[in-house]
Amino acid sequence: QSALTQPASVSGSPGQSITISCTGTANKDVGVYDYVSWYQQYPGKAPKLLIYEVSNRPSGVSNRFSGSKSGNTASLTISGLQAEDEADYYCSSYTTSSTLVFGGGTELTVL
Amino acid sequence: EVQLVESGGGLVKPGGSLRLSCAASGFTFSSNNMNWVRQAPGKGLEWVSFISSSSTYKFYADSLKGRITISRDNAKNSLFLQMNNLRAEDTAVYYCARDPWGGYSFDHWGQGTLVTVSS
Repeated sequence: QSALTQPASVSGSPGQSITISCTGTANKDVGVYDYVSWYQQYPGKAPKLLIYEVSNRPSGVSNRFSGSKSGNTASLTISGLQAEDEADYYCSSYTTSSTLVFGGGTELTVL
Repeated sequence: EVQLVESGGGLVKPGGSLRLSCAASGFTFSSNNMNWVRQAPGKGLEWVSFISSSSTYKFYADSLKGRITISRDNAKNSLFLQMNNLRAEDTAVYYCARDPWGGYSFDHWGQGTLVTVSS
């Protein structure tokens, strides 16, 4: 199962908005199911769930984080960028093989 | 408070075996699907395996199929991963993760246990 495609890095200034894309394989994963999730991970720490089922936020996650999907591409948008948002971000999607595939990860730098 | 605590990692020689454990507390373990996810040093996340709440369904990553077995003991609130014929590329931190909604979204993760495969 090929990994979902994410940009290796993105950057933005405090207060700005950034969007991280996550592209899957046609008829295999992202475009087939609404089971796309997004995670934030700090170095040496376990991942934290930000978004599940494309656009749902778990309790306690800031509303600055939002998710969407169009066709085979899902997106995570972080608005009002803050220094504490500097971390790695991963998307994941359920697949037609009843497995899960992650994206390669995106390193966010807050300038 | 939901807690997941992995154990069983360590240094093992190529071809060796390990059994990882994940002790769960703070929630009804028997009602939740569970997963293992790993992360090689400096690399991204890789899904390893899924087990449904009653062990009816088990799924594995293609890269590990045939070498790993996932299991659980709901009476002891524990999740396991038996890994055999380990290779250097299996070196990673292994996390257990709870999937409360059944859509492969993981709302709670353990701290991870490091498996190092080296001679």
